[in-house]
Amino acid sequence: EAGVTQFPSHSVIEKGQTVTLRCDPISGHDNLYWYRRVMGKEIKFLLHFVKESKQDESGMPNNRFLAERTGGTYSTLKVQPAELEDSGVYFCASSQNEQFFGPGTRLTVL
Amino acid sequence: RKEVEQDPGPFNVPEGATVAFNCTYSNSASQSFFWYRQDCRKEPKLLMSVYSSGNEDGRFTAQLNRASQYISLLIRDSKLSDSATYLCVVNTGNYQLIWGAGTKLIIKP
Repeated sequence: EAGVTQFPSHSVIEKGQTVTLRCDPISGHDNLYWYRRVMGKEIKFLLHFVKESKQDESGMPNNRFLAERTGGTYSTLKVQPAELEDSGVYFCASSQNEQFFGPGTRLTVL
Repeated sequence: RKEVEQDPGPFNVPEGATVAFNCTYSNSASQSFFWYRQDCRKEPKLLMSVYSSGNEDGRFTAQLNRASQYISLLIRDSKLSDSATYLCVVNTGNYQLIWGAGTKLIIKP
């Protein structure tokens, strides 16, 4: 069975540009989560989808971040415009019970 | 105060040694507790869930003390392949996972 996949694996952009991260959850998992780890800090929750609905977006840092899950399958996380402090590793996870994590997208904002 | 606090590490131990990780959490309403393992530049993977009665999986033993809001992980007879970062994780019941910063373990031959 395929696990959680994320694309791209790495992204290097300049401050002010836009980046869109994609997550494909494990097939059949209704729950999808985004997390972020910035350098030297712990992993932080960003938001949680149940199917296509945002269940909890309390961890989203500001309105430059927009997450969508149209159709309740894959999800995208768009950062617009990107700032230096957005650099980090963005993990996606999906679950029915246990959360399974994708390999992450390493975002570098220059 | 951080919601989940762990030993800062790194721990450098010889192969075959016993290693103990400690973790405390601040939210007394926390409901579920886990240890995750993360290899360098990889995603975190669930190592064990932690129950009040304590649980064991081979060389790994996890314990939870709700009164003290304390979680532990013990690794016996450590192997080179145990080298990784160990993350203490807590769930308050709303699906959010609250993460500790992790403790890096380096097993030396």
